[in-house]
Amino acid sequence: AQSVTQPDIHITVSEGASLELRCNYSYGATPYLFWYVQSPGQGLQLLLKYFSGDTLVQGIKGFEAEFKRSQSSFNLRKPSVHWSDAAEYFCAVVSTDSWGKLQFGAGTQVVVTP
Amino acid sequence: DTEVTQTPKHLVMGMTNKKSLKCEQHMGHRAMYWYKQKAKKPPELMFVYSYEKLSINESVPSRFSPECPNSSLLNLHLHALQPEDSALYLCASSLDRADGYTFGSGTRLTVV
Repeated sequence: AQSVTQPDIHITVSEGASLELRCNYSYGATPYLFWYVQSPGQGLQLLLKYFSGDTLVQGIKGFEAEFKRSQSSFNLRKPSVHWSDAAEYFCAVVSTDSWGKLQFGAGTQVVVTP
Repeated sequence: DTEVTQTPKHLVMGMTNKKSLKCEQHMGHRAMYWYKQKAKKPPELMFVYSYEKLSINESVPSRFSPECPNSSLLNLHLHALQPEDSALYLCASSLDRADGYTFGSGTRLTVV
């Protein structure tokens, strides 16, 4: 069955430290891959996306993600976290043969400590 | 204009009421979506409209009725809802599936 997994439900990180959020997918072919961020009570904002090409993708707010086909992973990273990065982060995929069905992982809650 | 606008932002309705949620975008996107999000859960797809036609209905109960009057507007008509339908309802749009979806800020619905 097609699935997208975020192994970490909750991550606490100190301000200024680096952050890495994990995402693994299980699809027949490489799907389209996205990372979204959601602040409390708000909608979702697209951080970055990957379809093909360079496996290191740059996004907004200083985030980047690396696609690794061999590991079926699309991990999100930020070198230095700011207090405003505290939010829920969702990895999402769209299958190349299932147009319109954006499927979300369970999400990772990021808490930033002073 | 790079936004998806949803109204109202908050809605409280009784189980016998009829209400509608509205979503609007002026980005020329041809696909529009309704998602439902419960607290501390990921969004769940409800409906997909492509070129103003309903293309996906994820087995949503008939008390939710979507409507796409034109390429910029998407409505969700609500009738005889249950308290468990209380959630954040998100609208999104996309140029195509490879474009990334633009989400609105949602309507917080409470059914009493």
